[in-house]
Amino acid sequence: NAGVTQTPKFRVLKTGQSMTLLCAQDMNHEYMYWYRQDPGMGLRLIHYSVGEGTTAKGEVPDGYNVSRLKKQNFLLGLESAAPSQTSVYFCASMRGNNQPQHFGDGTRLSIL
Amino acid sequence: GQQVMQIPQYQHVQEGEDFTTYCNSSTTLSNIQWYKQRPGGHPVFLIQLVKSGEVKKQKRLTFQFGEAKKNSSLHITATQTTDVGTYFCAGDAGGTSYGKLTFGQGTILTVHP
Repeated sequence: NAGVTQTPKFRVLKTGQSMTLLCAQDMNHEYMYWYRQDPGMGLRLIHYSVGEGTTAKGEVPDGYNVSRLKKQNFLLGLESAAPSQTSVYFCASMRGNNQPQHFGDGTRLSIL
Repeated sequence: GQQVMQIPQYQHVQEGEDFTTYCNSSTTLSNIQWYKQRPGGHPVFLIQLVKSGEVKKQKRLTFQFGEAKKNSSLHITATQTTDVGTYFCAGDAGGTSYGKLTFGQGTILTVHP
């Protein structure tokens, strides 16, 4: 029972490079979320999706794009990476309102 | 926008001592959730509080939701080394929030044996 799987687990990028983080869930959850976690700041919502084909901006969306072409997958893209985007990125999924969120193991991203 | 403040940021205790972390929201919440993140791990759901004044217990952990549904606390009795980690509260504004959570900054708990 995989739950929420994030790939890759680690990545080092140079400023200006692009990359895509993949989140896959096998629980048939409707809602999916991308967060970034920085020291002393908790988790901040980047983008979220309430269903296949839908996306919306969260608290800190600038510099990121997302897509949810399939219900089970939620992709987070960085078009032109900046050092300020060095962080740990977590994906989460949720069955519906008032339910717990299930998190992946995270992607540790460093941008030089 | 909604803000959730959590204190303290750090707490160091001796094994066997009690521990409490407090959470305060700038707006009234529909519900509040608590998560635990072990060092190097990911957040794991602990509990959800929905009702005003609600108190829930999980073994040595006691969770409270304030009467005004704007604050909450987590109390651990007689801490153990297995309690080490970061504890987050996360507020859900409800309505059309689509389950979006606003997380507090977290309290990092270390337990000295």
